[in-house]
Amino acid sequence: SQQGEEDPQALSIQEGENATMNCSYKTSINNLQWYRQNSGRGLVHLILIRSNEREKHSGRLRVTLDTSKKSSSLLITASRAADTASYFCAVFMNYGGATNKLIFGTGTLLAVQP
Amino acid sequence: DTGVSQNPRHKITKRGQNVTFRCDPISEHNRLYWYRQTLGQGPEFLTYFQNEAQLEKSRLLSDRFSAERPKGSFSTLEIQRTEQGDSAMYLCASSFAGGDGYTFGSGTRLTVV
Repeated sequence: SQQGEEDPQALSIQEGENATMNCSYKTSINNLQWYRQNSGRGLVHLILIRSNEREKHSGRLRVTLDTSKKSSSLLITASRAADTASYFCAVFMNYGGATNKLIFGTGTLLAVQP
Repeated sequence: DTGVSQNPRHKITKRGQNVTFRCDPISEHNRLYWYRQTLGQGPEFLTYFQNEAQLEKSRLLSDRFSAERPKGSFSTLEIQRTEQGDSAMYLCASSFAGGDGYTFGSGTRLTVV
């Protein structure tokens, strides 16, 4: 079963605007990761934030994590048409080393209009 | 090393036939994962290997599915007696042990007609 739920399911913005996507999850995590997927392609790892971190930056990406609310957000600043893709959050849970895998959410489809 | 490679990219098969997909991970990575993704959904975990050992299988992986990773290098995923519901994108990923980011292949799109 899928762990995370992204919100919104779809987002359409103009080039230059900021895009914010949210992710909620259900259980305690080791880390949370964001991935991007262009249509019909594999996923590309964007950024990882650990459970003891609250905010992380990478280029135009900013990720926040609130473990008390079991939620994360991904902000893409100054969006470009090339940012058009689906974005997925994924949680990594570590049950004493017995279970180690990423569980993905349902994704947000971002369309950036030129 | 150019990343994770999956073959074939596309496979069309008739219902009831067997299919096999191959994944070549990044050579330094000791973990290899298989996921399945249907249209509009996120990837769903199927199984993963650490080196040659298959450590976990999802309940999604019925007895028609089998995966192997001989010698801890490439992996194969076989689906026997395919059904229309097996139509999906099958994604392979690899990583170091420890929960860091995965590197995904481009996937194999299976269509069962």
